[in-house]
Amino acid sequence: GAVVSQHPSRVICKSGTSVKIECRSLDFQATTMFWYRQFPKQSLMLMATSNEGSKATYEQGVEKDKFLINHASLTLSTLTVTSAHPEDSSFYICSARDRQVDFGQFFGPGTRLTVL
Amino acid sequence: GIQVEQSPPDLILQEGANSTLRCNFSDSVNNLQWFHQNPWGQLINLFYIPSGTKQNGRLSATTVATERYSLLYISSSQTTDSGVYFCAPGVAAGNKLTFGGGTRVLVKP
Repeated sequence: GAVVSQHPSRVICKSGTSVKIECRSLDFQATTMFWYRQFPKQSLMLMATSNEGSKATYEQGVEKDKFLINHASLTLSTLTVTSAHPEDSSFYICSARDRQVDFGQFFGPGTRLTVL
Repeated sequence: GIQVEQSPPDLILQEGANSTLRCNFSDSVNNLQWFHQNPWGQLINLFYIPSGTKQNGRLSATTVATERYSLLYISSSQTTDSGVYFCAPGVAAGNKLTFGGGTRVLVKP
């Protein structure tokens, strides 16, 4: 149980294009999902908290117009990187909380974004 | 926000050795998780341990919330234990987690 998937696992795009990353909880309902970014050999940094049916809460320093988050259902949240630039290249990881139990967050496998 | 320090930053072990990883945090927490990040980047849940002691096979963890630290014990280490271990405490307000800098473990055969 408690499986979280992400799609795509890897994406390469040209500078200026937009990229959408999906995060799904496969076997549980998640009222809250989280988006993290991880640069090489560094720790995870929380970008935003996504709540089903409401606007996302962004961490200080994260541009909400650049990183659009939509949590349309209890099993799906999406992160869209708009007008991507090379400095947006990173490993993006989502996590989800199971609304039925409180065993913490479960993480997806991550999406590696490379912007050329 | 909460500050999280993990030590040591790097650890090299001979297969079969035991080790202890430490996580210090600056504020009271009601949530703490330990993760292992494998070479492909996947974060694997090891423990949800806001307080007390838990064991899972060769791994065990202890959190002393009143003293603001948590410990992860690895016994009889194996090469598959290599990777980065993260501690991530959290406070209320949606259970946000703050990740420590991690401990990079290399277990040599």
